[in-house]
Amino acid sequence: EPEVTQTPSHQVTQMGQEVILRCVPISNHLYFYWYRQILGQKVEFLVSFYNNEISEKSEIFDDQFSVERPDGSNFTLKIRSTKLEDSAMYFCASSAERPLHFGNGTRLTVT
Amino acid sequence: EDQVTQSPEALRLQEGESSSLNCSYTVSGLRGLFWYRQDPGKGPEFLFTLYSAGEEKEKERLKATLTKKESFLHITAPKPEDSATYLCAVQDTNAGKSTFGDGTTLTVKP
Repeated sequence: EPEVTQTPSHQVTQMGQEVILRCVPISNHLYFYWYRQILGQKVEFLVSFYNNEISEKSEIFDDQFSVERPDGSNFTLKIRSTKLEDSAMYFCASSAERPLHFGNGTRLTVT
Repeated sequence: EDQVTQSPEALRLQEGESSSLNCSYTVSGLRGLFWYRQDPGKGPEFLFTLYSAGEEKEKERLKATLTKKESFLHITAPKPEDSATYLCAVQDTNAGKSTFGDGTTLTVKP
């Protein structure tokens, strides 16, 4: 069964550094998402992406965040200057319409 | 703003002891209600989509039902491998995003 793949599985970075989280969505899906889950908290929406542009974003998704689909298969989330509070599991998801299919996440640790 | 509340927060069952998980929701217009299973360190795994009140879906020992205000995930004769966190999420007709509840962590003891 096709699946969403995310790399790396774990990323450790220092505060103020830039990180890029990578995702390969399911190939025939058209809608792409990033969610995050801080340890012990609920899954939170960050951004949705359709037709090569952001379709919706949350208050969390400020100017430090950006998304890109650089080619026909990858979908990336960039955090320009990481903060301690950015430490979380970041999940990529894709869908044809609904429901969402999630990857297994990237655990981001900011020190 | 869409809201999803799940109860109980945690549930411990003996193997074979049936029970139900609750998901109460508030949306301006429901496009879909989703149940996911999440194992530790993994992403949510899709279980069911429900679209309208009265709808039911079943998969092995799980059955999901929907009313206008809440959804239930019924677990019949659970096994230890059913232990996981079960997440409920709603999608609003006005938005593409899904709003998640805090989840119910189910532990099934042999």
